[in-house]
Amino acid sequence: DVKVTQSSRYLVKRTGEKVFLECVQDMDHENMFWYRQDPGLGLRLIYFSYDVKMKEKGDIPEGYSVSREKKERFSLILESASTNQTSMYLCASSPQDRTINYGYTFGSGTRLTVV
Amino acid sequence: AQKVTQAQTEISVVEKEDVTLDCVYETRDTTYYLFWYKQPPSGELVFLIRRNSFDEQNEISGRYSWNFQKSTSSFNFTITASQVVDSAVYFCALSEARAAGNKLTFGGGTRVLVKP
Repeated sequence: DVKVTQSSRYLVKRTGEKVFLECVQDMDHENMFWYRQDPGLGLRLIYFSYDVKMKEKGDIPEGYSVSREKKERFSLILESASTNQTSMYLCASSPQDRTINYGYTFGSGTRLTVV
Repeated sequence: AQKVTQAQTEISVVEKEDVTLDCVYETRDTTYYLFWYKQPPSGELVFLIRRNSFDEQNEISGRYSWNFQKSTSSFNFTITASQVVDSAVYFCALSEARAAGNKLTFGGGTRVLVKP
């Protein structure tokens, strides 16, 4: 069963901590994405990567960074967590295909609370 | 810039009623893809349908149907004879063909509550 796996379902961190959210996919997809989901705002793109060591900013990259050292793993880093980063974080992946857009496969999400 | 609007934030129905979820999109591209995803309480978004901009045929899959109208930039979703298991948040999304990494822009989501 193909999957996108997010390492934690729930996390509670303190303000100022450095936080790592991990995402692994087993479908050999080129593209990987990090979104945050907030009520009424839908899903907003933080960062995405279309290849190993490649990354591009999404719509709301401030306060975040990412790392993609291996094709299957895409990490989201909160350099200094703040309470306004309390949210649901969703990882997704998709194949790179120039003829058709297959959409994403999503992970189950990580609900992060910063206190 | 691309944009997706789901004007209904929450819809509550009684089981067996039909429910229609509205989705309006904006794009300057002539080639694009539209999607619907379902997010049940478990949290994981599940793919429901993909439609490209050149295919305006409406589609039916069981109790689900989709109405794509380029003239009004809408891609509406109807659940017929709703069931409690249809309770979820539903997202409409758009991807322009030239978008790097095939990235999707999502609407704000519509929460559907089906009461027994």
